[in-house]
Amino acid sequence: AQRVTQPEKLLSVFKGAPVELKCNYSYSGSPELFWYVQYSRQRLQLLLRHISRESIKGFTADLNKGETSFHLKKPFAQEEDSAMYYCALVGSARQLTFGSGTQLTVLP
Amino acid sequence: GAGVSQSPSNKVTEKGKDVELRCDPISGHTALYWYRQSLGQGLEFLIYFQGNSAPDKSGLPSDRFSAERTGGSVSTLTIQRTQQEDSAVYLCASSLDPNRASPLHFGNGTRLTVT
Repeated sequence: AQRVTQPEKLLSVFKGAPVELKCNYSYSGSPELFWYVQYSRQRLQLLLRHISRESIKGFTADLNKGETSFHLKKPFAQEEDSAMYYCALVGSARQLTFGSGTQLTVLP
Repeated sequence: GAGVSQSPSNKVTEKGKDVELRCDPISGHTALYWYRQSLGQGLEFLIYFQGNSAPDKSGLPSDRFSAERTGGSVSTLTIQRTQQEDSAVYLCASSLDPNRASPLHFGNGTRLTVT
């Protein structure tokens, strides 16, 4: 079975501070991992995926197979980063499994 | 082009009634997903359609839930004899497949309230 765990339901940081949203997964095969974001009153959308090894809006995420983690990081948080963030995994049968989400609030 | 469209955006129904939720995916997207978003519960997978293959129904919570996808495009999610615990936002998403790394494009969801 595949499972995604986001241990923090709520996370608050001050503007300019570093931010890390934690994501751990369990999956027996080789996973494909994603971060999705939902800004207030907007639809859920893809932020980044591990296979692209990209930085989007200053965010990066590295897949650590040893720790089965895919934490999302940004060195300097901005107020517009306030949103709900979901970590997701594609495993067997192409089913995309989401974590329970972390609500990030960036304080001025 | 147009994104994923869901209707209605809001639905209030009485307990015991049946409801139908509609999803229009992005044209050309062969994969279609339904998820349920509940407060504090994250996104719960319900069902997945891929082309002409048999759908993956493993996430449907009970036999009161069913879904169809006609002509490989529009999908309807039906909930029979609704219960209060069915209250949630129902999200539809589509993606280009067979590349499973294709991102999902979500609709705005249907907020279902069962009174």
